[in-house]
Amino acid sequence: QITLKESGPTLVKPTQTLTLTCTFSGFSLNTSGVGVGWIRQPPGKALEWLAHIYWDDDKRYSPSLKNRISITKDTSKNLVVLTMTNMDPEDTATYYCANRPVGKNWFDPWGQGTLVTVSS
Amino acid sequence: QSVLTQPPSVSGAPGQRVTISCTGSSSSIGAGYDVHWYQQLPGTAPKLLISGNSNRPSGVPDRFSGSRSGTSASLTITGLQAEDEADYYCQSYDTMLSGYVFGTGTTITVL
Repeated sequence: QITLKESGPTLVKPTQTLTLTCTFSGFSLNTSGVGVGWIRQPPGKALEWLAHIYWDDDKRYSPSLKNRISITKDTSKNLVVLTMTNMDPEDTATYYCANRPVGKNWFDPWGQGTLVTVSS
Repeated sequence: QSVLTQPPSVSGAPGQRVTISCTGSSSSIGAGYDVHWYQQLPGTAPKLLISGNSNRPSGVPDRFSGSRSGTSASLTITGLQAEDEADYYCQSYDTMLSGYVFGTGTTITVL
């Protein structure tokens, strides 16, 4: 059974850097074709894909955020880390990590999400 | 930024058939990329509902079906039930963005 769980601060101040961790089990990022993505959802709004990291350390970023975000993995600890700089109140959202199955372009399953509020 | 367009809301009475559209472009759905659908119940994480345009993962009732044609896709619920009240999102890949894209989301209300 694959599970993912997001963790990190619930409140950050404007201009600060956000670091979120996705801890997963049931699969390995050493397995060819596997990936983990980050998706966010502002309150009452739609889902937005942020970044993705693949088993071979290939990384992809949303063009609108690529100057502010980075994604890394620690295969030995089964975790993926998302870093977002210069946080703004508009970045207030629930942040999800999700598994991308081998060779597929969908996300399943998702973590429960973590709400991050940006406020002074 | 959503580059897949969905109607904001759709409603229907129990037992009715409802359809949600998902309109993309020549760099996403029109480029041949598959469309996937997620159901998000209130206060929960999205759950995969349809993968690869029309495939139901194990456990998804057969009243949910999907299709893709040209630059669009659709999700149909045949025999709407009260428990289907949720937000629904389509998702694909966009070659111009070199990344995944989600729809604007549709709220289904059961009257």
